Amino acid sequence: DAGVTQSPTHLIKTRGQQVTLRCSPKSGHDTVSWYQQALGQGPQFIFQYYEEEERQRGNFPDRFSGHQFPNYSSELNVNALLLGDSALYLCASSPRRAGFYGYTFGSGTRLTVV
Amino acid sequence: GEDVEQSLFLSVREGDSSVINCTYTDSSSTYLYWYKQEPGAGLQLLTYIFSNMDMKQDQRLTVLLNKKDKHLSLRIADTQTGDSAIYFCAERAGTNAGKSTFGDGTTLTVKP
Repeated sequence: DAGVTQSPTHLIKTRGQQVTLRCSPKSGHDTVSWYQQALGQGPQFIFQYYEEEERQRGNFPDRFSGHQFPNYSSELNVNALLLGDSALYLCASSPRRAGFYGYTFGSGTRLTVV
Repeated sequence: GEDVEQSLFLSVREGDSSVINCTYTDSSSTYLYWYKQEPGAGLQLLTYIFSNMDMKQDQRLTVLLNKKDKHLSLRIADTQTGDSAIYFCAERAGTNAGKSTFGDGTTLTVKP
């Protein structure tokens, strides 16, 4: 059983560009959350999707947007990239009705903005 | 708002017990978690505890929760070199799925 799959694993972008990161949740999970993990820090919550809608959002600007598809997979889009957006972006999935048992994380996408 | 604090580093000898501590501020935290992150990888859920519990044991792992002091600890018995990693404490309020707030992690180094 595949866990959470993220693509690409690494990405280098230039300031001002736009990027799209992709996530396929674990089988049986319908809720996808995105986190940003800067070097040496814990993951910071970006937003969560359930039933194709953004349900919760963390303290991130509108440059960060997302989408969830009918098959529960999700995309994270970041516009007008800044150097400070360089981080590991983690996708986490959980079943909505039993999400209190915790997340299953993907291995992340390492984004470097130059 | 929610805040989770952890000490940054812990070093132990192989075979000893490790105790990683965490404090949180949100009194409505309902679920508390410990995750492990190895180099170049995502986070792996190790264990969780509900706020109405004081202790949970799972093989070599023991979680203690002091709700009054908002203090959570993870004890790893018979620590092995393979336990070397970053350990994150996280909390979540409310029911079902929802955002979790993470600490900045404790780097555990196990010396042979």
